[in-house]
Amino acid sequence: NAGVMQNPRHLVRRRGQEARLRCSPMKGHSHVYWYRQLPEEGLKFMVYLQKENIIDESGMPKERFSAEFPKEGPSILRIQQVVRGDSAAYFCASSPTKETQYFGPGTRLLVL
Amino acid sequence: QKEVEQDPGPLSVPEGAIVSLNCTYSNSAFQYFMWYRQYSRKGPELLMYTYSSGNKEDGRFTAQVDKSSKYISLFIRDSQPSDSATYLCVSYNFNKFYFGSGTKLNVKP
Repeated sequence: NAGVMQNPRHLVRRRGQEARLRCSPMKGHSHVYWYRQLPEEGLKFMVYLQKENIIDESGMPKERFSAEFPKEGPSILRIQQVVRGDSAAYFCASSPTKETQYFGPGTRLLVL
Repeated sequence: QKEVEQDPGPLSVPEGAIVSLNCTYSNSAFQYFMWYRQYSRKGPELLMYTYSSGNKEDGRFTAQVDKSSKYISLFIRDSQPSDSATYLCVSYNFNKFYFGSGTKLNVKP
């Protein structure tokens, strides 16, 4: 059973461009979480999704950020009009039940 | 007060030492507890998962939860240089995971 897949692993964008991060959960997992991690800092919760539903987006910035988990295909975290402060590692985690989660390798976003 | 508090370290020990990593949590309703290991520039890896109080052992790792004092511990026996990483304690309650800030461990050969 393959683990949580994230792509791309590294993404470079110029200020004002859009960043699209993908997460394929483990087989059979219907819960997906997105986190952001700045260098030498802890994980910050962003959003929790189930198939076709956003359950909790209390950690998402109000503007420019959106997330989806469609019926088919990966979960997508979209950042519009990126700014330098968006540079971070973004981790996706998936869960079979709700009480635990498995992380992907992360996408490292660099905004120039 | 943060829901889960963890000493950031760094903690430096010689190879072969017993390592004790600790967290406290504030909400007595927390029932699910996890420890993750994160190597530099990698995703967190689930090490141990426990429900409610008690001990759980897996190889060189033992997780302990004391609900009366709201204390979570991870013990690593015969520590190895490959154990050098950041260790995260996590609790789960009502659709939310609460992360400690992580303790950086360095095991010196």
